Amino acid sequence: DAGVIQSPRHEVTEMGQEVTLRCKPISGHNSLFWYRQTMMRGLELLIYFNNNVPIDDSGMPEDRFSAKMPNASFSTLKIQPSEPRDSAVYFCASTDWTSREGDTFYNEQFFGPGTRLTVL
Amino acid sequence: SQQGEEDPQALSIQEGENATMNCSYKTSINNLQWYRQNSGRGLVHLILIRSNEREKHSGRLRVTLDTSKKSSSLLITASRAADTASYFCATDSTFMYSGGGADGLTFGKGTHLIIQP
Repeated sequence: DAGVIQSPRHEVTEMGQEVTLRCKPISGHNSLFWYRQTMMRGLELLIYFNNNVPIDDSGMPEDRFSAKMPNASFSTLKIQPSEPRDSAVYFCASTDWTSREGDTFYNEQFFGPGTRLTVL
Repeated sequence: SQQGEEDPQALSIQEGENATMNCSYKTSINNLQWYRQNSGRGLVHLILIRSNEREKHSGRLRVTLDTSKKSSSLLITASRAADTASYFCATDSTFMYSGGGADGLTFGKGTHLIIQP
């Protein structure tokens, strides 16, 4: 089975431009997460969806960031306008929250390869 | 915000030696997981320990959890060159008894492990 698919793998853009990152979760998974990784701040949770519904977007840094999940197999993270400080690797991850043993959900998340964004 | 803090930040050992990494966290947790990240790649899940467990093994990996100290350790025995990577602990705090969906993970800053051949 294919893992989490992200596109593009690399994106170089100029400040002020709109950037759209795409993610296809593992088929059958019902939770999707967007994370950002930088040297300064490490790995940060930006937003996540359960059953296509946004649950917590408190990690989204500014109104310039928005995310959508129109269906179970696709999500986008958009930055408009982009700024140099948005340069980072953006990861998408997914999991199946209905998979559990008894009352325990293990929340093992499967990560995509990431999109390396450079804003000049 | 960062939940976990790993130490050391970097660790270099000889192949065949054991590697120990530690993680501390701040708030109560449901699960604690360890992930590996090879350079330029995504994260890969290694092992998970629940808050009511104290120790878990998987192959050459051993993880311990001390909830009273809010800390965990990951031991990799008989290290190999292929173990060279960054290792992150991650926590979540959602209890799933009523079935409400998954929770995002809070990651530590990671330990960069280098295995010298």
